[in-house]
Parts: sequence; structure tokens; C-alpha cells
Amino acid sequence: DAGVTQSPTHLIKTRGQQVTLRCSPISGHKSVSWYQQVLGQGPQFIFQYYEKEERGRGNFPDRFSARQFPNYSSELNVNALLLGDSALYLCASSPEGRGRDGYTFGSGTRLTVV
Amino acid sequence: AQKITQTQPGMFVQEKEAVTLDCTYDTSDPSYGLFWYKQPSSGEMIFLIYQGSYDQQNATEGRYSLNFQKARKSANLVISASQLGDSAMYFCAMRAYSSASKIIFGSGTRLSIRP
Repeated sequence: DAGVTQSPTHLIKTRGQQVTLRCSPISGHKSVSWYQQVLGQGPQFIFQYYEKEERGRGNFPDRFSARQFPNYSSELNVNALLLGDSALYLCASSPEGRGRDGYTFGSGTRLTVV
Repeated sequence: AQKITQTQPGMFVQEKEAVTLDCTYDTSDPSYGLFWYKQPSSGEMIFLIYQGSYDQQNATEGRYSLNFQKARKSANLVISASQLGDSAMYFCAMRAYSSASKIIFGSGTRLSIRP
């Protein structure tokens, strides 16, 4: 079975541009979460979606948005990119995203804003 | 507020030795779960071990064990018989069930195994 897949793996964007990152969860997993990991830090929670509904949102500006599709895949959109948005963006899937569920992470999308 | 603290930015250990990675946490939620993840240079976060706040016994998974001391709010990871492939960043993380949607991560410990 395929793990969590993220695309693209690397991306370079210019300040002010918009970017869309994609994530396909493990088959059967209904919850997808997004995390931002700035170099040298631990991941920071951005969003969690379960059954296409937003279940939680971290402390990120409205420039960040996401959605989940009927097949449980997800997109993360970031508008008006800033240099500080440069980071590794990780997607994690879990069966229901609660309790003892372990999250399975993808390899991430490395975004560089220049 | 919930917080994870990892006080060891980096550690060097001789191959085949055991190593303990420290983690303390803070939460007012009585129900929570603690996780350890390994992040190699490829970037992927690899789940290692889980401990629930009401679990009576310390969690073990192969060479990994979690030394859970609830009163001290610590959840140290012990790796027995370290291997060269254990060299990576290690993150301690927590999910409080009252805010079930998010996992909070510490700042990580970079573990380097010497041959």
C-alpha cells in the first residue's frame, strides 16, 4: 500500500505569489493534517480535516487555507507568499485523527520563497 | 497552555550503546497522548512509539521504550543498542484530547551515532 504522498516535493516561488500543495492520504484514512516545519524547529500545526470538514486550525494567518476532497485527498493553499513562508510542509493522515491514532506523515513539500 | 520541551539540541553516542532522549511536557488536560517521531534527512516524520496518559505500563516498540513519569511530566525515549541508522532528528510530541485535532511538537534532538 502506498503511504502518504505529497506533491510537489520541491517548489520555488516569488514573494507575493500563490502556491497549492497536494496530499493523498493512506487508503482508508479519513483525516488529513497539515504542518509547517521551519528549518531548525519542530512542526507547527496548520489545519486538520476530517470527512471534508475542518476540525482544527492552528495560529496561522488567513493567507493559509485548505480543503479536503471526497476521496480524502487535500490541498493546502498559501496566498501572498512571504519569505517567512519558506519551510517544509508536511501532510499527515490518520484513520480518524483522534485518540490513539498515530499520524503517518508524508515526506513533505519543501517550499522556498525568494 | 500545552508545551513540549526537549533540552538536548544534539547528542553523540557510540554505536551499540543505549541512549536516552529527554522530553518534558505541560498540559492541564487529564487525557493526552505522547508520541515520539524520528526525522531523517529525507524529511519524513516516522512514528516510533505512543504512550497514553492512562496507560499503566511504559510503552515499548522493539528497541524503543518510553520512560513515562506522569508526576514529573516526563516522557523520555530510550533507544537500546543504537545503530548507525538511528542518526536523525527526534521529536517528542503531545496531543491533548480536549484539543484532539492538533499534535504539538518539541524542538527536537539531533542524535548522531558514532561507529
